[in-house]
Amino acid sequence: EADIYQTPRYLVIGTGKKITLECSQTMGHDKMYWYQQDPGMELHLIHYSYGVNSTEKGDLSSESTVSRIRTEHFPLTLESARPSHTSQYLCASKDTHSGNTIYFGEGSWLTVV
Amino acid sequence: GEDVEQSLFLSVREGDSSVINCTYTDSSSTYLYWYKQEPGAGLQLLTYIFSNMDMKQDQRLTVLLNKKDKHLSLRIADTQTGDSAIYFCAEASGGSYIPTFGRGTSLIVHP
Repeated sequence: EADIYQTPRYLVIGTGKKITLECSQTMGHDKMYWYQQDPGMELHLIHYSYGVNSTEKGDLSSESTVSRIRTEHFPLTLESARPSHTSQYLCASKDTHSGNTIYFGEGSWLTVV
Repeated sequence: GEDVEQSLFLSVREGDSSVINCTYTDSSSTYLYWYKQEPGAGLQLLTYIFSNMDMKQDQRLTVLLNKKDKHLSLRIADTQTGDSAIYFCAEASGGSYIPTFGRGTSLIVHP
């Protein structure tokens, strides 16, 4: 089992608010990822990081931003939330020593009203 | 780009075997994965297989890989109601090994 944690699990916020979704892992993994998943749909990669001070945009364009100041922490921020940002956001990290497997957190469900 | 396809739904009776199929397009795929997602939760890694393997078995789970046809399957023996979930196939290749996921197959197990 992987130790990767996301907070908050569920959040309802108003339009225009700033929100940061937290993601932390205690395994020392260098590579971390953020995926966006609408209910019943596929996962879309929105951001990834190869390590400290490294951030890249994923396949799906997103208005969110990320930072990687510490290995264990990879927060995602929406400066001004909109209803179109309503989705589940999944954080993951990669174990490069075991099949390059990606381990996921429990997800953060964001609803913007 | 890479593409991973899965059927969207599978319904089985409790106790029967379930077979979830997946096809992918990237011939250089190195790692292939199966994940399980229960409602409201993240993805749980079930198993993975290297591209140089044909089969991998882990308790009730059997993964079969046909590289020629780019076809991956997950067989769940003695399917239980607790196996009801969405199952995602994923492949990773190239230097970055960033997985590409399918849309997921919703497995419904009925008594």
